Amino acid sequence: DTGVSQDPRHKITKRGQNVTFRCDPISEHNRLYWYRQTLGQGPEFLTYFQNEAQLEKSRLLSDRFSAERPKGSFSTLEIQRTEQGDSAMYLCASSPRTGKTYEQYFGPGTRLTVT
Amino acid sequence: KQEVTQIPAALSVPEGENLVLNCSFTDSAIYNLQWFRQDPGKGLTSLLLIQSSQREQTSGRLNASLDKSSGRSTLYIAASQPGDSATYLCAVSPLGGQGGKLIFGQGTELSVKP
Repeated sequence: DTGVSQDPRHKITKRGQNVTFRCDPISEHNRLYWYRQTLGQGPEFLTYFQNEAQLEKSRLLSDRFSAERPKGSFSTLEIQRTEQGDSAMYLCASSPRTGKTYEQYFGPGTRLTVT
Repeated sequence: KQEVTQIPAALSVPEGENLVLNCSFTDSAIYNLQWFRQDPGKGLTSLLLIQSSQREQTSGRLNASLDKSSGRSTLYIAASQPGDSATYLCAVSPLGGQGGKLIFGQGTELSVKP
């Protein structure tokens, strides 16, 4: 069990470019969550998967954002036509299918800077 | 709409002091409450999870309590150490959702001075 991993750890991009982030959850965890955190704030929920099904999306997730979890394992979060307001830490978390099913384990995050 | 508030926003204490961090939430319909630690520029580390039917959880020098009816939780840290310096976040998982999204407070930034 190596924990939740995220790639890349840091991304600098120019406004208008598309970016994609990857999250690998803990093995056998069936739930996967994406959050966004800006400086000095707590994380804000973006979206949630149970296996490959995307079950909930926040209103924060505009039509420029899309998330997938095609085989119920890793997930990707894509931001199209990035804006400076997208600069934030993007956090991924997973939780297990048995036991403490709602205890979330977080990855190290991907820090996005849009210039 | 569930809102989570943490007071104080920042706290500085001398090493060895016992301290309490506060968290309040507006809607008592929750599955659980979690306390996390976050070091600068890093992800979150889960410290304690309290199910809605529980009143407290303990791990080492940490003790978290939950009073669901009043919408409050506290995190007690005993004998603080400089290594405890970090931001502490509380989060609730609301009932009625489809599976456990967390709603976070803004955090308390703790500094423990040697």
